[in-house]
Amino acid sequence: DTGVSQDPRHKITKRGQNVTFRCDPISEHNRLYWYRQTLGQGPEFLTYFQNEAQLEKSRLLSDRFSAERPKGSFSTLEIQRTEQGDSAMYLCASSQGPTYGYTFGSGTRLTVV
Amino acid sequence: DQQVKQNSPSLSVQEGRISILNCDYTNSMFDYFLWYKKYPAEGPTFLISISSIKDKNEDGRFTVFLNKSAKHLSLHIVPSQPGDSAVYFCAASAEGAQKLVFGQGTRLTINP
Repeated sequence: DTGVSQDPRHKITKRGQNVTFRCDPISEHNRLYWYRQTLGQGPEFLTYFQNEAQLEKSRLLSDRFSAERPKGSFSTLEIQRTEQGDSAMYLCASSQGPTYGYTFGSGTRLTVV
Repeated sequence: DQQVKQNSPSLSVQEGRISILNCDYTNSMFDYFLWYKKYPAEGPTFLISISSIKDKNEDGRFTVFLNKSAKHLSLHIVPSQPGDSAVYFCAASAEGAQKLVFGQGTRLTINP
């Protein structure tokens, strides 16, 4: 297993467009997380899945954001009607069981122009 | 409301000397603390952690100290090496919670 994989690595989109990111976790990990990181800040929690169930969502996750994890494997994060304030690094992480030293992917850098 | 704070945005240390990175937290419900290291264009990498039942945890050149009464933790790197140059994030979690709360990060530069 090569770790947590995220696609694409970079995305430039025009304001108002929809974008979708994909995350493939480590195969034996049943927990999957999405975080967002802006310049000069640490990662901020967005949402958490255990298997296919989305168990927690941050209030940062407005109604323009939706995340899915069908069949408890890969996950997608969609942002509708993107705004310039959505420009950030979107990080996915996974873990096995109730451990907090989870593994991050390299992230998807979104730029909204 | 910044529950985890790293007040030093940057730190410069001579190779071979000790690097000390500091972190303060405000939420008394936090019971697990972690340090992550991040290189440019990569995701954060887990470095070391400590439970609130301990006050010290050591792993090779890395030691984390926890002072619960002061709500303060620190990461010591001895000796510092050029490959340690990166951004270091402190993170914390409350019992039963799945999410981590991160500090703003400290950029460590090791000078030859």
